[in-house]
Amino acid sequence: AQSVSQHNHHVILSEAASLELGCNYSYGGTVNLFWYVQYPGQHLQLLLKYFSGDPLVKGIKGFEAEFIKSKFSFNLRKPSVQWSDTAEYFCAVSSSGSARQLTFGSGTQLTVLP
Amino acid sequence: NAGVMQNPRHLVRRRGQEARLRCSPMKGHSHVYWYRQLPEEGLKFMVYLQKENIIDESGMPKERFSAEFPKEGPSILRIQQVVRGDSAAYFCASSPDLNEQYFGPGTRLTVT
Repeated sequence: AQSVSQHNHHVILSEAASLELGCNYSYGGTVNLFWYVQYPGQHLQLLLKYFSGDPLVKGIKGFEAEFIKSKFSFNLRKPSVQWSDTAEYFCAVSSSGSARQLTFGSGTQLTVLP
Repeated sequence: NAGVMQNPRHLVRRRGQEARLRCSPMKGHSHVYWYRQLPEEGLKFMVYLQKENIIDESGMPKERFSAEFPKEGPSILRIQQVVRGDSAAYFCASSPDLNEQYFGPGTRLTVT
């Protein structure tokens, strides 16, 4: 069975600080990887995704993530955060099977102080 | 193109009542997924449906929960005889092609 671990439950940063959120997954086969964001009071939105190819993936709003297969990791990064990045961030994995349901991590709450 | 719609957004039920949660996928999407988010936890997969078919219900509790996606109309997640432990946020997602899922705003169910 797949599992996803997000190591940080709550991260607090000042504006302009750099961000890295950890995500590790457990699965033996081919996976697709995602980062979703949930802003306060809003629904989940896709930040970025990795299916194959270049392991460095660029998403919306200046976010990027790097897939390191040997470490089973897909960490999210942003060089300079803004107050508007305050949100909850979820890493998710799907297998290449027929259903493609997502397995989510428990989420990381990011608070950016102005 | 309107996003995934869910209603109601908030639902309060007493123990023993039935809860019906509705999900209208995005236009052109034939794949619907339901997820549940318990307090302080991530989203957990419940069921995957295509029109008129349940494809994978491996995440659904064995009793009291059912889901459908009829030929016409929204997908319905039905919880019979609700208990306090059913209190959670229920999210629906739709997909055109199994590769990317678009989420609705969720229904927050509170069982009193």
